[in-house]
Amino acid sequence: DGGITQSPKYLFRKEGQNVTLSCEQNLNHDAMYWYRQDPGQGLRLIYYSQIVNDFQKGDIAEGYSVSREKKESFPLTVTSAQKNPTAFYLCASSRGTGLTYGYTFGSGTRLTVV
Amino acid sequence: GESVGLHLPTLSVQEGDNSIINCAYSNSASDYFIWYKQESGKGPQFIIDIRSNMDKRQGQRVTVLLNKTVKHLSLQIAATQPGDSAVYFCAENPYSNSGYALNFGKGTSLLVTP
Repeated sequence: DGGITQSPKYLFRKEGQNVTLSCEQNLNHDAMYWYRQDPGQGLRLIYYSQIVNDFQKGDIAEGYSVSREKKESFPLTVTSAQKNPTAFYLCASSRGTGLTYGYTFGSGTRLTVV
Repeated sequence: GESVGLHLPTLSVQEGDNSIINCAYSNSASDYFIWYKQESGKGPQFIIDIRSNMDKRQGQRVTVLLNKTVKHLSLQIAATQPGDSAVYFCAENPYSNSGYALNFGKGTSLLVTP
């Protein structure tokens, strides 16, 4: 079955460390996205990518970095510059970013700073 | 409705009743809207969508209503079941022809009581 897979499900980071969250999809979707969700809050866009080797900053890109070397993969690195990284991170993909393209979401990665 | 601050608005309904969840959107240029359901610790799941050239769309037990005049979207769930308990998000595509990502509202928590 096609889907989108995020790993790990839970991740713990020490102060000053960079960590990378994995997102892989086998839906043949062109566009991929990273959102951050804090308790009681909606989803805020970190980065998105419409095609391979191209990506754009979202509303809260500071302290994060991404790459899109393959269509199937869109890893997110949370750098030490992100001062408050504890959150639930959601990856999504869609056939495109144009009209009427809804998203398929992964099951999320919960990142905690220890 | 949409929340301000850390607390989600909560709608509590009895099993078997109908539920109405509301969402106000901000961009009059938005032309595509989606409702998502998110269960605790999981990624959001697509429920139903609607384009701006429609004012109503029905699915299985769900109906979405769009009022462009007042920029209001609602999700109606018929005969609400315990499995409907979740957080519901509306999302809009503000500039669908320009490759922008979906904007999500902050969500409404639906609690179904027996």
